[in-house]
Amino acid sequence: NAGVTQTPKFQVLKTGQSMTLQCAQDMNHNSMYWYRQDPGMGLRLIYYSASEGTTDKGEVPNGYNVSRLNKREFSLRLESAAPSQTSVYFCASSEATTASNQPQHFGDGTRLSIL
Amino acid sequence: DAKTTQPNSMESNEEEPVHLPCNHSTISGTDYIHWYRQLPSQGPEYVIHGLTSNVNNRMASLAIAEDRKSSTLILHRATLRDAAVYYCIRIRGNQFYFGTGTSLTVIP
Repeated sequence: NAGVTQTPKFQVLKTGQSMTLQCAQDMNHNSMYWYRQDPGMGLRLIYYSASEGTTDKGEVPNGYNVSRLNKREFSLRLESAAPSQTSVYFCASSEATTASNQPQHFGDGTRLSIL
Repeated sequence: DAKTTQPNSMESNEEEPVHLPCNHSTISGTDYIHWYRQLPSQGPEYVIHGLTSNVNNRMASLAIAEDRKSSTLILHRATLRDAAVYYCIRIRGNQFYFGTGTSLTVIP
């Protein structure tokens, strides 16, 4: 029972480098979400995908791009990393196409440091 | 979201009930109230959610005020494993309004 799997778990980048965070879920969920969590803070939504083939911006989308590769996978890309993007990134999925009336299942996070 | 407010921290003795409050004074009729908890270095874990009526599940109960401007998460018997940060979240479609979280300490 893997649930939501995020890779990598840790990453250190230099300013200006690019990278893609991977997320996969095995629960046949329709919607998927990317959040960031800064130290001592709550979660902020970056992007979400309500269903395969669709993506929408959340609260803090600047500096990020996403791809809903198929129903299982939702990736987050940093094209030119900046120190302000140092954070813990969480991926989540939900059975419904909206988060209102269904639980979200979270991965264990990717800890990203940008020097 | 400044309009979803929670106390920063609370303490409870082990095996006693805990009532975690959340104020969401600007809630609209279609906003659901969700509660998640987060242990250090882990992703958030779903606890419970509701719209208007009180809700119970194996983990907790959710009491929603009649005017829906506040809610209370109730842990019936706190255990050491319940020590975590608890987040109250208003959700409208795919719009999220997070509370700042309450850090719960459980005293043995």
